[in-house]
Amino acid sequence: DSGVTQTPKHLITATGQRVTLRCSPRSGDLSVYWYQQSLDQGLQFLIHYYNGEERAKGNILERFSAQQFPDLHSELNLSSLELGDSALYFCASSVSFGQGVMNTEAFFGQGTRLTVV
Amino acid sequence: DAKTTQPTSMDCAEGRAANLPCNHSTISGNEYVYWYRQIHSQGPQYIIHGLKNNETNEMASLIITEDRKSSTLILPHATLRDTAVYYCIVRGLGTDKLIFGTGTRLQVFP
Repeated sequence: DSGVTQTPKHLITATGQRVTLRCSPRSGDLSVYWYQQSLDQGLQFLIHYYNGEERAKGNILERFSAQQFPDLHSELNLSSLELGDSALYFCASSVSFGQGVMNTEAFFGQGTRLTVV
Repeated sequence: DAKTTQPTSMDCAEGRAANLPCNHSTISGNEYVYWYRQIHSQGPQYIIHGLKNNETNEMASLIITEDRKSSTLILPHATLRDTAVYYCIVRGLGTDKLIFGTGTRLQVFP
């Protein structure tokens, strides 16, 4: 158990719909990262939040958005869903961020499997 | 972040050491080498990381060459549960995100 909790574990929805994926980081971790893993692709970095602020964006579509709340949990919102959005979505958390800070490992949740039909 | 190159797949007999290579010839001085693994669609799991010295923990050993252009992850006594995709990642100090490549699919057989 990594200590990172993602809900729901599975989600089936129709094209055009909107869903919200939730992530609770490990206690004390300020950084939250979101990744997408499609069947035919590797782990794609989407976005990083640190203590409530967006820090980095990767290959995140405009239809997708995220936020990190004061209690440090994060939500990934996916809208106007398409069949190609079907994937595993992982959240990870880590303690530190920033120049001069010793790198630490990131801990991943077990993911949310999204199926768009 | 420096690019890494790993073999697509490897096999290892159970109980033997699994040696997984990684090339990172463009690594710069402040970049760390990280290893993660992903067991069949589970969340990636951190294994080990290092800068220039060899590192060992309860899961594995990491050997980094003196010029830091390549490294080897060693699982000393592979078990069937070590069957997974292993990712070698180079990450700069202060860089927040991990960029995953295609990794090495390790198959441990009885």
